Amino acid sequence: DGGITQSPKYLFRKEGQNVTLSCEQNLNHDAMYWYRQDPGQGLRLIYYSQIVNDFQKGDIAEGYSVSREKKESFPLTVTSAQKNPTAFYLCASSVTGTGGADYGYTFGSGTRLTVV
Amino acid sequence: AQTVTQSQPEMSVQEAETVTLSCTYDTSENNYYLFWYKQPPSRQMILVIRQEAYKQQNATENRFSVNFQKAAKSFSLKISDSQLGDTAMYFCAFMKGQGAQKLVFGQGTRLTINP
Repeated sequence: DGGITQSPKYLFRKEGQNVTLSCEQNLNHDAMYWYRQDPGQGLRLIYYSQIVNDFQKGDIAEGYSVSREKKESFPLTVTSAQKNPTAFYLCASSVTGTGGADYGYTFGSGTRLTVV
Repeated sequence: AQTVTQSQPEMSVQEAETVTLSCTYDTSENNYYLFWYKQPPSRQMILVIRQEAYKQQNATENRFSVNFQKAAKSFSLKISDSQLGDTAMYFCAFMKGQGAQKLVFGQGTRLTINP
């Protein structure tokens, strides 16, 4: 079955470390997104990509980096510059054009990142 | 920039009752889409219902329906005959009709259905 796979499910980071969250989709979607979820704040957009080798900053990109070398993959790196990285991270994908609005996003099951 | 506001952080109703979740949004766009997503304890985001702004008819999906008031920029979700499986966080979300299709989410409403 097609879907989005996020790994790992739980991730622990030490202060000053960079960590990378994986997101892979086999839906043949052009667009992919990373959101951060904190209690009481809903989901906030970190980065998004509408096509391979191109991506744009979202509302809270500081301290994060991404790459989009393959259509299927959109990894997120949480760098040491991110001062408060403990959160739940959700990856999503969608078709582009009117399809994105017709069908909404498909979400992964998320990664819980904790700084220790 | 678009903003989405959900003014009810938590709600609780008895099974089989009807419940309405509120959502307001702010935009200068004329062409856009609105969504309700459900996030159960598993944290998997599930699309519940969508509404196209240019359609006056309110969207319905089985027990879920919306009350879309474009002039008031209001988009409430009504759940009829609520079930225990409806217990979840519910997020209202906005998407522009043109350009990058980024979803802008509200803060969420935690809905509990009691037996």
